Amino acid sequence: AQSVTQLGSHVSVSEGALVLLRCNYSSSVPPYLFWYVQYPNQGLQLLLKYTSAATLVKGINGFEAEFKKSETSFHLTKPSAHMSDAAEYFCAVSEGGNEKLTFGTGTRLTIIP
Amino acid sequence: GAVVSQHPSRVICKSGTSVKIECRSLDFQATTMFWYRQFPKQSLMLMATSNEGSKATYEQGVEKDKFLINHASLTLSTLTVTSAHPEDSSFYICSAYTGVTEAFFGQGTRLTVV
Repeated sequence: AQSVTQLGSHVSVSEGALVLLRCNYSSSVPPYLFWYVQYPNQGLQLLLKYTSAATLVKGINGFEAEFKKSETSFHLTKPSAHMSDAAEYFCAVSEGGNEKLTFGTGTRLTIIP
Repeated sequence: GAVVSQHPSRVICKSGTSVKIECRSLDFQATTMFWYRQFPKQSLMLMATSNEGSKATYEQGVEKDKFLINHASLTLSTLTVTSAHPEDSSFYICSAYTGVTEAFFGQGTRLTVV
């Protein structure tokens, strides 16, 4: 069985500040890990994906995430927040890369001007 | 990137009627399509997995007779909510998977049952 825990349902950061969204996972096999962004009333857009290659994964819009097996974590970061980053972010895990995803509960990111 | 079109984006229906939601992969063939449901301010929950030409596999707790899924071709899957009730109101999202790269998500359908 697999699961994802996202700490912090709401995160607020100032424009230009560091964004850190936390994600911890549980998986019985080596996981595939994902971060998605969702804007209001829209579907999900893939930010980045970890597939057991490099532990530091770079995604779109300046986001990156680091896979830490010892901590079972896959936190999402961005050095400098932009107003357009305000959205809901979901961490997800799949076992074996079959794209059958288990999602975390999401983190709503608010950017303070 | 690959495009998945989901239609309609919004639908309002009367209680007791049925609603069909389409999920199309526009520029690739999807061997597998997934249907998720998202309750307000909550995460996405997988409802079912459909493979082209075979019966869908439903997650535990999902009524297969209520949520009919058809995956008739490699580019089209449909979800029909039968005899809809207000508690079926939700945001439904599909994703399409080639079996090689990643799954691509549709824009979602907001269903409101009145």
